[in-house]
Amino acid sequence: QKEVEQDPGPLSVPEGAIVSLNCTYSNSAFQYFMWYRQYSRKGPELLMYTYSSGNKEDGRFTAQVDKSSKYISLFIRDSQPSDSATYLCAMSVFDAGKSTFGDGTTLTVKP
Amino acid sequence: EAEVAQSPRYKITEKSQAVAFWCDPISGHATLYWYRQILGQGPELLVQFQDESVVDDSQLPKDRFSAERLKGVDSTLKIQPAELGDSAMYLCASSPRTGTYEQYFGPGTRLTVT
Repeated sequence: QKEVEQDPGPLSVPEGAIVSLNCTYSNSAFQYFMWYRQYSRKGPELLMYTYSSGNKEDGRFTAQVDKSSKYISLFIRDSQPSDSATYLCAMSVFDAGKSTFGDGTTLTVKP
Repeated sequence: EAEVAQSPRYKITEKSQAVAFWCDPISGHATLYWYRQILGQGPELLVQFQDESVVDDSQLPKDRFSAERLKGVDSTLKIQPAELGDSAMYLCASSPRTGTYEQYFGPGTRLTVT
């Protein structure tokens, strides 16, 4: 079983919808929780990170971490066609540097 | 804006041939990572450098893969001999310091082994 499991999707929503992307994990030592966006044939781009538990908001994006449930989420409000991409969750142990990634959820936002 | 550079962007090679990928991290970034991303999966760490030293190569198939960062700046990842299962995207990332969540990825090299 993988340390990080991510809902595989694909996910298709109409423009303006609220999108929820989720990951679960098994390693309780993870302290940093990241979300990356990856466009086709490109490298991942860091969207947001959260340290330990709690919520973090950045514009239309909200990241949530529930360490008691080992569950993290990314919410996208007012989704746009430009949000169409693969979203990867990633986690790391404090001071380790390297990240463990989920397999990604491919999102399509239709105009 | 500073970026991680990788070359080549695409590489097609035959099974049993040697192949090499190059990465130039963001200037001043001491930590460099090589990840492999198989289609439909997330990146998996192959090797992590701090300056010129290997910090973690536990997932690097050392019978055929090698990596170096001789002067602590750019890095080369080599596969010899290539196998069909090596077809994947090879991603390089760099961080300004070790132990941080911040990783900046390059565009990757897509390898196809025929």
